[in-house]
Amino acid sequence: AQRVTQPEKLLSVFKGAPVELKCNYSYSGSPELFWYVQYSRQRLQLLLRHISRESIKGFTADLNKGETSFHLKKPFAQEEDSAMYYCALVTGGYNKLIFGAGTRLAVHP
Amino acid sequence: GAGVSQSPSNKVTEKGKDVELRCDPISGHTALYWYRQRLGQGLEFLIYFQGNSAPDKSGLPSDRFSAERTGESVSTLTIQRTQQEDSAVYLCASSLRPSDSEQFFGPGTRLTVL
Repeated sequence: AQRVTQPEKLLSVFKGAPVELKCNYSYSGSPELFWYVQYSRQRLQLLLRHISRESIKGFTADLNKGETSFHLKKPFAQEEDSAMYYCALVTGGYNKLIFGAGTRLAVHP
Repeated sequence: GAGVSQSPSNKVTEKGKDVELRCDPISGHTALYWYRQRLGQGLEFLIYFQGNSAPDKSGLPSDRFSAERTGESVSTLTIQRTQQEDSAVYLCASSLRPSDSEQFFGPGTRLTVL
């Protein structure tokens, strides 16, 4: 079965500390993975996708097929990074998204 | 242009009543998706529309749930005989084409069933 697991409900760090939000997936096909973010009082929006291999707002994520992981990393967290982060897996030819339960990142001054 | 809009933003209803939730996708977006988010959980896929047809209804939790879409525009999600477990935030998303991996989400409708 297709599944996305985000083991941490809450990740609390201080400003300037490194951040790693964990994501593991279960999918028998070739995965396409995403990170979506929801800032306070804003709608869910795409942060980055693995196929573009880009860095957005200092965040990067590398797909590790051996470990079936797609962890989100940032070397120096900022207070404005505080938000809810969701890892998602696309299945099907029409981009049906399977979401993890989400991790709340709290960056303290 | 405007993003995806949803109405109402909040809906409180009594158990057993029917509710209709509305989604206006971004103009020109052919693909439309409904998701549900229960408290403390991730988003669950409910249904996908390509134009006004729904090739995948696999996520609808029971036959009390139905959805329709007129043309490549507005979609309504209807829940009949609501139950307390239907309480959740219902999110709508659209994308330009089904093959586009970026989905644009609406603000959601928070449904509370008393």
